Amino acid sequence: NAGVTQTPKFQVLKTGQSMTLQCAQDMNHNSMYWYRQDPGMGLRLIYYSASEGTTDKGEVPNGYNVSRLNKREFSLRLESAAPSQTSVYFCASSQRTGQNYGYTFGSGTRLTVV
Amino acid sequence: KQEVTQIPAALSVPEGENLVLNCSFTDSAIYNLQWFRQDPGKGLTSLLLIQSSQREQTSGRLNASLDKSSGRSTLYIAASQPGDSATYLCAVMTTDSWGKLQFGAGTQVVVTP
Repeated sequence: NAGVTQTPKFQVLKTGQSMTLQCAQDMNHNSMYWYRQDPGMGLRLIYYSASEGTTDKGEVPNGYNVSRLNKREFSLRLESAAPSQTSVYFCASSQRTGQNYGYTFGSGTRLTVV
Repeated sequence: KQEVTQIPAALSVPEGENLVLNCSFTDSAIYNLQWFRQDPGKGLTSLLLIQSSQREQTSGRLNASLDKSSGRSTLYIAASQPGDSATYLCAVMTTDSWGKLQFGAGTQVVVTP
């Protein structure tokens, strides 16, 4: 099925460990995003990639790095995990068609840092 | 900085009642506003998108209105069903943040049979 695929779905890390969250979309969208969702706070933008070859910081980029590997794939890396990074992470992609932005979200990665 | 607020945070109604969900935003320079549905442990599904030039959008039992000047949007769900139980999020795209969304914290809805 077409959409946004995130791996892994669940992960437990120890403080200081590193990991990469993977995201791939097969809709030929130009733009991709990483958001985090914390209880009572809605989704906040970590990083985004407006098009292949470009990445920019969002609202909460500290502690994260990203790579837009190609048009399909956009990964999020935690170099040294901290308990404050315990959250649910969502990858999304979008494509502007005229005045419409079609947004598609992955099912999320639930990360716990202990 | 755009702030998006959704009140109430949680809502419980009996089946058959109409649902009214509110979203307010502080910066009226928006490009569009979207309503999403999120089921537990799942991603977000787009329900309705309203362009800044539009006053409302409808899809089946769902109707969303937009009053840009007062910074408000309302999502109406007619004749609620237990399957409507979910968290509903509104998100705003401002004119200086092409493609990026600012989300509210959501309203958790429970429809009881």
